[in-house]
Amino acid sequence: DADVTQTPRNRITKTGKRIMLECSQTKGHDRMYWYRQDPGLGLRLIYYSFDVKDINKGEISDGYSVSRQAQAKFSLSLESAIPNQTALYFCATSDRTSADTQYFGPGTRLTVL
Amino acid sequence: ILNVEQSPQSLHVQEGDSTNFTCSFPSSNFYALHWYRWETAKSPEALFVMTLNGDEKKKGRISATLNTKEGYSYLYIKGSQPEDSATYLCAFTPLAGGTSYGKLTFGQGTILTVHP
Repeated sequence: DADVTQTPRNRITKTGKRIMLECSQTKGHDRMYWYRQDPGLGLRLIYYSFDVKDINKGEISDGYSVSRQAQAKFSLSLESAIPNQTALYFCATSDRTSADTQYFGPGTRLTVL
Repeated sequence: ILNVEQSPQSLHVQEGDSTNFTCSFPSSNFYALHWYRWETAKSPEALFVMTLNGDEKKKGRISATLNTKEGYSYLYIKGSQPEDSATYLCAFTPLAGGTSYGKLTFGQGTILTVHP
């Protein structure tokens, strides 16, 4: 079984809709992250959480919100999706004992029409 | 905003060629430099993490070096094979309070294509 799972894997939605992407992990890591990947732009950090009560904005948090429901679960929401949020989204956890080496989920491909 | 740059952006080589790419990062407040391998339709996987100036890491035909004083790392692939085709990402972790800041800044990646 995968250590970091994401649902859904693919989603097509319309402008203005609310979307939630979910992430679960069985690695026992405290730290979790949401990134988006756009062609030519690499991985950009949206939000990160160092424990259940600690949530921080990343470099591109506008238009997104997150919820850390438990150590193992970290959800990303788009309150009102817009076309330029079409991207590949990755959840990751990190291992503090190895300088926060990231362990990525399989990704969610989101298309906003 | 931390600047992590990789070069070249893309590289095409023939099977059997050896190749290398560069990652440059801030030389101050250094904690760690990571390399990841990202195959198409998969998620990035960690290759190496290096924390000390002069570190060298090796995994099979892939190796990496680190120079924190001048802010660069090299990734080498010896005798490239078609299965080495992937995007190679580096990521920088700054120092905060004597330990990892907990956030990685990724470079844009080098896309390697190895032709049979």
